[in-house]
Amino acid sequence: ETGVTQTPRHLVMGMTNKKSLKCEQHLGHNAMYWYKQSAKKPLELMFVYNFKEQTENNSVPSRFSPECPNSSHLFLHLHTLQPEDSALYLCASSQPPRVKDDKNIQYFGAGTRLSVL
Amino acid sequence: KNEVEQSPQNLTAQEGEFITINCSYSVGISALHWLQQHPGGGIVSLFMLSSGKKKHGRLIATINIQEKHSSLHITASHPRDSAVYICAVRSKQGAQKLVFGQGTRLTINP
Repeated sequence: ETGVTQTPRHLVMGMTNKKSLKCEQHLGHNAMYWYKQSAKKPLELMFVYNFKEQTENNSVPSRFSPECPNSSHLFLHLHTLQPEDSALYLCASSQPPRVKDDKNIQYFGAGTRLSVL
Repeated sequence: KNEVEQSPQNLTAQEGEFITINCSYSVGISALHWLQQHPGGGIVSLFMLSSGKKKHGRLIATINIQEKHSSLHITASHPRDSAVYICAVRSKQGAQKLVFGQGTRLTINP
């Protein structure tokens, strides 16, 4: 148990569906991240939020829409996805930079395995 | 070419063997992380290091900043060590962004 919980663990959706991924952390962190892990490719950073503000968008298509209502929760809203978006989506949290004792050690959730049909 | 390269990509060994996984990177870094990913998908941070060597139980991580190279060693390997081991670096410019290697899939047979 890493203190970062992702739901659902598995999701199958059609290309016209709208769904959301949820991430919750109980570590008191103020930075949260979305990553994408496709088969046989390295983890790719998608978004970073610090103190609820988006500070990085790694050229992610607009069909992925993140939301961070507070420092403990992070959502990824999905709409009109493509089959190539099928992947493992991982959430992580850490302390933001320049916070005392920050080593930027990121704590990961178990991921949501998404299949787009 | 990825900024972070790991070798080997796949490694199968017998229980008890000494395991070495290598990571080379091409950018300046402030820190290097070794992560472990089990088949369920969850990722656990094993080490963060910026110089020298760290040891935790049967795991040892070393880094050579001049050569831009790090190794992860597992002594007395056990089937429960079977996982994907991922190297990630934090560049000096972006404190939060990690650049990841492709991972090394380790299988330890009993």
